[in-house]
Amino acid sequence: QSVLTQPPSASGTPGQRVTISCSGSSSNIGSNTVNWYQQLPGTAPKLLIYSNNQRPSGVPDRFSGSKSGTSASLAISGLQSEDEADYYCAAWDDSLNGALFGGGTKLTVL
Amino acid sequence: QVQLVQSGAEVKKPGASVKVSCKASGYTFTSYDINWVRQATGQGLEWMGWMNPNSGNTGYAQKFQGRVTMTRNTSISTAYMELSSLRSEDTAVYYCASSPVRGVIDYWGQGTLVTVSS
Repeated sequence: QSVLTQPPSASGTPGQRVTISCSGSSSNIGSNTVNWYQQLPGTAPKLLIYSNNQRPSGVPDRFSGSKSGTSASLAISGLQSEDEADYYCAAWDDSLNGALFGGGTKLTVL
Repeated sequence: QVQLVQSGAEVKKPGASVKVSCKASGYTFTSYDINWVRQATGQGLEWMGWMNPNSGNTGYAQKFQGRVTMTRNTSISTAYMELSSLRSEDTAVYYCASSPVRGVIDYWGQGTLVTVSS
């Protein structure tokens, strides 16, 4: 059971905007930055958002991240079929002195 | 470009150990931490620990303390993760990944499937 809580699934139609939430606590999201990863079927995860809202080079600006208190969100606008993937949030936890991943959200593009 | 290339799939019996390698290229190996993350089939990502290739310092998730050892050989830019006392629940894909700053994992290896079966 993950300490970072994500909805197990999300869905949207092409062109729509979807958001995925990630809830934590004061020892992780509340005191450290949040990163988001995209994992396409059968592949290794890819860094999508780091430091709450920064996009690595090459990541489309359709992807955005935000954080407030002990929660964070990933938003995907202009949804495309190739966005169908698993999405994971992650943050360092000061109490555990280690990294934590959320349980993952499977995004389906209808 | 940054590349992390891992060793091939392994099949081990319960109680045995496995050692997975991760060869880095495209950057200075000693500049970034190496993390290890595993993923059982159909399950989420699980962080195992980190290693600083420069100092050799390590930090392990409590769950794996006493069973995991992360080492490196800087002369060949390669990191290793050894997991002992294997059990069936350790069957998973194991990833190495680079970390420029604590908590941020940017580049990932292709993954190594470790199967534990009698």
